[in-house]
Formats: sequence, structure tokens, C-alpha cells
Amino acid sequence: ETGVTQTPRHLVMGMTNKKSLKCEQHLGHNAMYWYKQSAKKPLELMFVYSLEERVENNSVPSRFSPECPNSSHLFLHLHTLQPEDSALYLCASSPDGVGGSTEAFFGQGTRLTVV
Amino acid sequence: AQSVTQLGSHVSVSEGALVLLRCNYSSSVPPYLFWYVQYPNQGLQLLLKYTTGATLVKGINGFEAEFKKSETSFHLTKPSAHMSDAAEYFCAVSDQSTPLVFGKGTRLSVIA
Repeated sequence: ETGVTQTPRHLVMGMTNKKSLKCEQHLGHNAMYWYKQSAKKPLELMFVYSLEERVENNSVPSRFSPECPNSSHLFLHLHTLQPEDSALYLCASSPDGVGGSTEAFFGQGTRLTVV
Repeated sequence: AQSVTQLGSHVSVSEGALVLLRCNYSSSVPPYLFWYVQYPNQGLQLLLKYTTGATLVKGINGFEAEFKKSETSFHLTKPSAHMSDAAEYFCAVSDQSTPLVFGKGTRLSVIA
């Protein structure tokens, strides 16, 4: 248990569906992240929030829409996804904002399959 | 921009043998370096990290890594592999203002 909880753990959705991934941390951390982990590729940073403000968006397609309503919660809203979006989506948080010497704490991930 | 190269996408060792997973980084500023482990269907768990000070850092489960600035390396070692060490290992780099940048990972298999 790392203190970062992601739901659901598994999700299967059609290309026309709309779904949301949820991430919750009660560690008092100031930064939260979404990463995408695909087979045979490095972890890709998608979005970064620091103190509830988005500070980085690595050219992610608009079919992915993040939301950070407070410092403990992070959502990733999904719509009209493509099969190549199937991956493990990992949420992470870190105490001191973006970067720094303190490590990021990861959730267990949501395994997303787009059919 | 920072980057990480992990040599070898798959490493196989016998139980009880030395584990060596290689990591080289590129950074224009003093880096912070991390090793994470990922077990199947799990998130990433921190093994160890280097920030400043002693260049040989010890982590959980008997792992250690040495920061060598001249070689831009941060290789992970363990003297004696155990079956439970079989997992995916990720090296990552960051600095004072940059999020973690990960390597592609190395899958470690341990043979009985």
C-alpha cells in the first residue's frame, strides 16, 4: 500500500464510450501525475498538477482530459479513445511539487483496454 | 533535456548469482537518480535513490547502486539473486524542477 489509490483497476471500453479514471492520495502531497505505460515503451508522462494547477501537458491528445478538483484527487476523463490507447495508466504523487529530490509514489494503475 | 538508457531489456540470472542492471543518464544539471521495481499488475515501488552525498546508496531488498558522474551511470546491483527479485526494473532521472524521466525498463528473470 503506497497511499495512492487508483480506481478502477481494470476497464474495458468501446471507442465511443466516455469513462473516467480516478486517483486519490491522502499523503498530503502537492503534486500529482498521470503516466501511460505501454508495452515496450518507456513510461510516458501525460499530465502534471502542482497545487491543483496544471503545469505540464506533454502534447497529449484531447481525447484525454485531466481534472484536479483538490490536492487529494486527480481524474483522467476519457472519450472516443483508439485501440492504441490501451495501456496501464499510472497515477503518482510527490510531496514537494514537481521535481526535486523526493521520490514519486505510485498507485497500482488502471489497466485500460479499448475495443 | 534529460534521458535515461537502460542497457538490456531482459536480464536472466541464476538464483544466488550477482544481479547487475545497467543505467546511464543524460542531464545538463546535477541529477537526482532513482531505481523503481514493478511486479506484475502493480505500480512502481521505490528501491533506492541518489540525491547528494555518498555515491553508493543502499536500498530495500538488498539492492544498491553507485552514482558515477564521470561515467554518467547509476547501475543497480545485488550480490545474490532471489526468486522473488523477478520483476521489471526502471531507472529514472529528475532534477530540481523536472518530473521523473524513465528508462524503458529491464525485465529480470531469476532461474532456479
